[in-house]
Amino acid sequence: LAKTTQPISMDSYEGQEVNITCSHNNIATNDYITWYQQFPSQGPRFIIQGYKTKVTNEVASLFIPADRKSSTLSLPRVSLSDTAVYYCLVAATASGTYKYIFGTGTRLKVLA
Amino acid sequence: ETGVTQTPRHLVMGMTNKKSLKCEQHLGHNAMYWYKQSAKKPLELMFVYSLEERVENNSVPSRFSPECPNSSHLFLHLHTLQPEDSALYLCASSQDKGQSRYGYTFGSGTRLTVV
Repeated sequence: LAKTTQPISMDSYEGQEVNITCSHNNIATNDYITWYQQFPSQGPRFIIQGYKTKVTNEVASLFIPADRKSSTLSLPRVSLSDTAVYYCLVAATASGTYKYIFGTGTRLKVLA
Repeated sequence: ETGVTQTPRHLVMGMTNKKSLKCEQHLGHNAMYWYKQSAKKPLELMFVYSLEERVENNSVPSRFSPECPNSSHLFLHLHTLQPEDSALYLCASSQDKGQSRYGYTFGSGTRLTVV
């Protein structure tokens, strides 16, 4: 099954731009790439979703190269409240069925 | 408030108890999911329901028994649990089975402790 690979952890300072890259070499042809944010003892929260090229919303940007084998979540000017675990989610195909498997995520720590 | 409500938020139960976790979604979604998240581990998909039909069971022990009486409600019945079953249990829903537009909406979870 396909899996996602992300850095385990990252540190940043307030006000900096943070880029987190996810590798997904076996992404399904028709699948979206979705990023989630999770705070301790809460469920993951949808941040942004894309299929190709670039997507931007009020909290983040998502960059997807033409081959779609990776994606980069960009958080502009992070604050302390952005300290969380960030997951990318893509489909993993097996026997014609789609399975959505969360990886270990990237633990982002924003420092003052 | 995400539109997916889980109760209770916290639960402590003995290994011989029987309890149930409840999930309710107010989003009109057709698919619902149970995930387990143990300390510092990835989320593990347990069960998938689509239009009230169980479509996936990821080798979950029989001491966990899901129930989906309608598309808005999902239960996880627990009995004879082990201490290693202590975890955060998360319910999620999506418009359709799989990763649809805007992905999954998660509840806040039930923190389960088995003593």
